[in-house]
Amino acid sequence: KAGVTQTPRYLIKTRGQQVTLSCSPISGHRSVSWYQQTPGQGLQFLFEYFSETQRNKGNFPGRFSGRQFSNSRSEMNVSTLELGDSALYLCASTSSSGVWRTDTQYFGPGTRLTVL
Amino acid sequence: DQQVKQNSPSLSVQEGRISILNCDYTNSMFDYFLWYKKYPAEGPTFLISISSIKDKNEDGRFTVFLNKSAKHLSLHIVPSQPGDSAVYFCAAVGNNDMRFGAGTRLTVKP
Repeated sequence: KAGVTQTPRYLIKTRGQQVTLSCSPISGHRSVSWYQQTPGQGLQFLFEYFSETQRNKGNFPGRFSGRQFSNSRSEMNVSTLELGDSALYLCASTSSSGVWRTDTQYFGPGTRLTVL
Repeated sequence: DQQVKQNSPSLSVQEGRISILNCDYTNSMFDYFLWYKKYPAEGPTFLISISSIKDKNEDGRFTVFLNKSAKHLSLHIVPSQPGDSAVYFCAAVGNNDMRFGAGTRLTVKP
């Protein structure tokens, strides 16, 4: 069974631009969560989607948004990029039991975003 | 605010010995805790978890201990192996929120 895939793996943008990251969950997984990892803040939860609906949301500004498609693939968008948005963005998928918190999450390799 | 803290950024142990990684949390609403391991250029992988109704959970060489009164959990790896060298994150879940520690880099020397 293929794992979680994320594209692109690396991305360089400039301040003020917007970016879209993509995540394909493990086949059959309906929940996709997004995380931001930075050296200073560690791993922080962004949001979680289940069956095309945002079910949980972390404490991030509205510049960070996401969506999920009917095939469970998810995209994350960051508008008006700031230098501090440089980070590794990870997505994770869980099985379809709907219990986001306790199901084992399977992480993708991440997208390394650099904002210049 | 850092609701989940891993105060040791790094830990070095000898192969065969015990590795103890610590994690503290401040929010009493957290009721489920997890440990993840992360190798370079890979996403974190789930290791072990524990519910707040338990104080210990064991899976092979990995044991997680939870002390609710102290708001402290620890991960014990016995015996440690060189392949265990990675960054370990603890995570706490509660009230529809999930918080991670900053990670501890474990190095197991042959």
